[in-house]
Amino acid sequence: QKEVEQNSGPLSVPEGAIASLNCTYSDRGSQSFFWYRQYSGKSPELIMSIYSNGDKEDGRFTAQLNKASQYVSLLIRDSQPSDSATYLCAVNRDTGGFKTIFGAGTRLFVKA
Amino acid sequence: DGGITQSPKYLFRKEGQNVTLSCEQNLNHDAMYWYRQDPGQGLRLIYYSQIVNDFQKGDIAEGYSVSREKKESFPLTVTSAQKNPTAFYLCASRGPPGLELFFGEGSRLTVL
Repeated sequence: QKEVEQNSGPLSVPEGAIASLNCTYSDRGSQSFFWYRQYSGKSPELIMSIYSNGDKEDGRFTAQLNKASQYVSLLIRDSQPSDSATYLCAVNRDTGGFKTIFGAGTRLFVKA
Repeated sequence: DGGITQSPKYLFRKEGQNVTLSCEQNLNHDAMYWYRQDPGQGLRLIYYSQIVNDFQKGDIAEGYSVSREKKESFPLTVTSAQKNPTAFYLCASRGPPGLELFFGEGSRLTVL
């Protein structure tokens, strides 16, 4: 079992719809959780971070964390073609220093 | 401007040659990381360093070496022992105060 699992997609949604991206993790000791966006050929950039159970909203993005179910999700409202990218879920483990483990990413296509 | 600089952006090498990728940051971050990304895949951790003169192996350290002689610098050497070195290499750093990673623009290595 991979430490961080994501559906590789591609996930295709029409412009203006809600895109829902999911991620599960295996280590219950994981402490902090992140969503990064990566455009083709570019480096990842942070979209959201979440540290406690519940929802965290930032503009069109909402991150949801459920530690009991070991589940993190990202909702993108009013999806735009510019949101088309790969979304990477990442998890921090404290191994005496933080080690960040990434999922394989979900490719999102937003159709105009 | 503060950030992470990786060089070179593109590198071509023959099989059997060692290659060193540079990573320099002026963010005053303590921790630095090297990841490898293969096409259509997520990021895999090669090495990481929490403080100067100390570093730990990640999940795929075989065939790679690093040094951390200065806080600002964390070069990665891809040795001839690395069986499949062609990949996109990403350097990242972490604060304090935040727990998220900041990435350089990446170095794309192609072994001919």
